[in-house]
Amino acid sequence: AQSVTQLGSHVSVSEGALVLLRCNYSSSVPPYLFWYVQYPNQGLQLLLKYTTGATLVKGINGFEAEFKKSETSFHLTKPSAHMSDAAEYFCAVSERGNTPLVFGKGTRLSVIA
Amino acid sequence: DAGITQSPRHKVTETGTPVTLRCHQTENHRYMYWYRQDPGHGLRLIHYSYGVKDTDKGEVSDGYSVSRSKTEDFLLTLESATSSQTSVYFCAISDEGIGEKLFFGSGTQLSVL
Repeated sequence: AQSVTQLGSHVSVSEGALVLLRCNYSSSVPPYLFWYVQYPNQGLQLLLKYTTGATLVKGINGFEAEFKKSETSFHLTKPSAHMSDAAEYFCAVSERGNTPLVFGKGTRLSVIA
Repeated sequence: DAGITQSPRHKVTETGTPVTLRCHQTENHRYMYWYRQDPGHGLRLIHYSYGVKDTDKGEVSDGYSVSRSKTEDFLLTLESATSSQTSVYFCAISDEGIGEKLFFGSGTQLSVL
């Protein structure tokens, strides 16, 4: 069965600094990988997804993620943090799109002025 | 935003009472899901549906049942609510496949006293 591990339940960065949120996955078949963002008292919104093809995926709001099969990782990055990026971020995996998404426990991102 | 409406948005109930949460979509998407979100656990799948009258269990299905008699409605029932079912419940929909990107509703905050 697939699973996701997000390293760090809380990450704090300064405004303008690099954002790096870590996600490692386990899947017995090629994975589909997703990053979602959740703002307070709202549902989750899709940031980006990887299915096949190019391993560097660009998403909304300047975020991107790179699929690294050898490291079983799908880390989320943004070159320069903005105050509006403060939210909770979830990584999710599906087994080749054939199984429902399994989510990680989430990482809360704080941005300090 | 995807046309997903969850009702009620907030509910307080007592242990042992039945509770039904409703998810209504206007997108005509085939796949519908119920997740629960708890601190330290992320989102966990309760049940999902891949068509009218077609449902399957997720990771944390004990104590929950679902029904889907129409494409647009997916009901989650707690037959006899317990305090451990206090949570935020999210409905999600997908049209591309069972393990493809999800669109989420705004959630239902359920408190079982």
